[in-house]
Amino acid sequence: DIVMTQSPDSLAVSLGERATINCKSSQSVFYSSNNKNYFAWYQQKPGQPPKLLISWASTRESGVPDRFSGSGSGTDFTLTISSLQAEDVALYYCQQCYSLPLTFGGGTKVEI
Amino acid sequence: EVQLVESGGGLVQPGRSLRLSCTASGFTFRDYAMTWVRQAPGKGLEWVGFIRSKTYGGTTEYAASVKGRFTISRDDSKNIAYLQMSSPTSEDTAVYYCTRDAVDPLAYWGQGTLVTVSS
Repeated sequence: DIVMTQSPDSLAVSLGERATINCKSSQSVFYSSNNKNYFAWYQQKPGQPPKLLISWASTRESGVPDRFSGSGSGTDFTLTISSLQAEDVALYYCQQCYSLPLTFGGGTKVEI
Repeated sequence: EVQLVESGGGLVQPGRSLRLSCTASGFTFRDYAMTWVRQAPGKGLEWVGFIRSKTYGGTTEYAASVKGRFTISRDDSKNIAYLQMSSPTSEDTAVYYCTRDAVDPLAYWGQGTLVTVSS
């Protein structure tokens, strides 16, 4: 199984400041035949299902504010919130969809 | 608009069975794989399994933690995916989400249904 390790477990960021979340996979999730990283970031607010923010490591989903960006390849990935807003307080999860079983990181709690 | 609505959750005794349903709308259901993901109270997300579309054989894949106990099926005539839970234990207590797709990022999620396994 591919283990997804997120860091930190939680972080507190001032409004307007940058938040950075890291995720490391235990093996590469890059598929060379189509040049894609099978990797995604999700945001989950209390009482709600997860929401897909970033797919293929760096593709922002429609409607996701451009302050959210994803980067990385292979085994190391980063989610950056460039200027934290109050509505960004949530749990964030990384996920690999490269191989079964699909696995998620343990989550990072972002607070103000 | 893609909509996924789970139902069937509730309190179930250990060892009894429970069937969850996921009713889909807003897309051609038969063309897509359907995945179940669960989240124990206060915990992270855990992939449960998925069922492929009939185009890809309608076959299923499961997490090791549920293999042999849970069964995913689908009824393309009713646009419903099912999760049959057999011999559940307290470890299976969770909110169960259905999602569209399988080995792609999961863009569409239902609101989830809570299953509590307790005597």
